[in-house]
Amino acid sequence: EDQVTQSPEALRLQEGESSSLNCSYTVSGLRGLFWYRQDPGKGPEFLFTLYSAGEEKEKERLKATLTKKESFLHITAPKPEDSATYLCAVQAENSGGYQKVTFGTGTKLQVIP
Amino acid sequence: ETGVTQTPRHLVMGMTNKKSLKCEQHLGHNAMYWYKQSAKKPLELMFVYSLEERVENNSVPSRFSPECPNSSHLFLHLHTLQPEDSALYLCASSQDSVLGGRGYTFGSGTRLTVV
Repeated sequence: EDQVTQSPEALRLQEGESSSLNCSYTVSGLRGLFWYRQDPGKGPEFLFTLYSAGEEKEKERLKATLTKKESFLHITAPKPEDSATYLCAVQAENSGGYQKVTFGTGTKLQVIP
Repeated sequence: ETGVTQTPRHLVMGMTNKKSLKCEQHLGHNAMYWYKQSAKKPLELMFVYSLEERVENNSVPSRFSPECPNSSHLFLHLHTLQPEDSALYLCASSQDSVLGGRGYTFGSGTRLTVV
């Protein structure tokens, strides 16, 4: 069964203090790994898709990387507006039909001014 | 503006009520989804509608009933709910069920409280 584990569950950073969030996964065949940001009371907002080990994507202060077993979301010099819950999800390869997506429970990030 | 609109944003209902959640997307996507989000749990897929098929999570109780009249609209009909059904219900869409580069587009959700 596909599994996604995110750590830490919660992270508190000072403004400007860089860190990384982890997403470990087991999947029979990876079609794609997705990162989302979710603000309180809102739906998740798409950040990145990664497809293969070694791939990296960047957006402003965020950089996502992928290995065969895990993905990291690196946050460089975070600002208070980066405070949110970050969700990781994987989609498995299937021979046909609906391609199942498995989500992690998220990392709640708080950036203190 | 996310492109996926859900109404209502908040809903309080008694266990004997019948209500419906509505979702609308004008992104030209061919797949739509209902997800349930409970505290400290992963998003739980409830239903998928795509051009190819409808997929149900077999663990979803029959008191939840989906309806997809066309590729732009999705409903979730609720009846005889239980307090443990209180959660954030998210609608999502995607180009098709094999997620492309943009993954899902989610709505803002309906916060449901069952009393």
